Amino acid sequence: AQSVTQLDSHVSVSEGTPVLLRCNYSSSYSPSLFWYVQHPNKGLQLLLKYTSAATLVKGINGFEAEFKKSETSFHLTKPSAHMSDAAEYFCVVTAYNNNDMRFGAGTRLTVKP
Amino acid sequence: NAGVTQTPKFRILKIGQSMTLQCTQDMNHNYMYWYRQDPGMGLKLIYYSVGAGITDKGEVPNGYNVSRSTTEDFPLRLELAAPSQTSVYFCASSHPGQGTQNQPQHFGDGTRLSIL
Repeated sequence: AQSVTQLDSHVSVSEGTPVLLRCNYSSSYSPSLFWYVQHPNKGLQLLLKYTSAATLVKGINGFEAEFKKSETSFHLTKPSAHMSDAAEYFCVVTAYNNNDMRFGAGTRLTVKP
Repeated sequence: NAGVTQTPKFRILKIGQSMTLQCTQDMNHNYMYWYRQDPGMGLKLIYYSVGAGITDKGEVPNGYNVSRSTTEDFPLRLELAAPSQTSVYFCASSHPGQGTQNQPQHFGDGTRLSIL
């Protein structure tokens, strides 16, 4: 079985400063990991995914995440926050198929002007 | 390309009523999913389907039913609505995973359901 813990329920940054959203995972198998973003009243949109290739994964809108097996972490980062990044972010872990995806509780990112 | 379309967007039900949440996708994805999202929580899988005629239970299936007669459509039915089913429901679809190359899921915009 697998599970995800997002370490912060809410992160607040100023526009132009770095973003760090933390995610730890647990998995009995080699995991696939995803980050999704959810804007208000919208569905989830894929930011990036890790599927056992390069450990540093680049996604859309300048986001990237690094898979660290020794730390069982998959933290999401962005060098410079933009106002449009304000949203809810979900870390997701799955095993070798898509039928048992486990979502974290989410991190709400606030970006201050 | 519409992607995943959910209807209705909002609905209020009385306790004991029934309704069907509609979901259709135009990407020819074999896999489809229904999730519920409660405040402050991540998504929980209700049911999923790996192809027409095949459905299976997810993490929280009680109180729901699904069917998959076509590749495009995956309706979710609530037979006897209960206040605990007040939630936001998301439908998603994906291609099958290829070994460890899991395919991302594409989500609809959700159906906000209140049961009073």
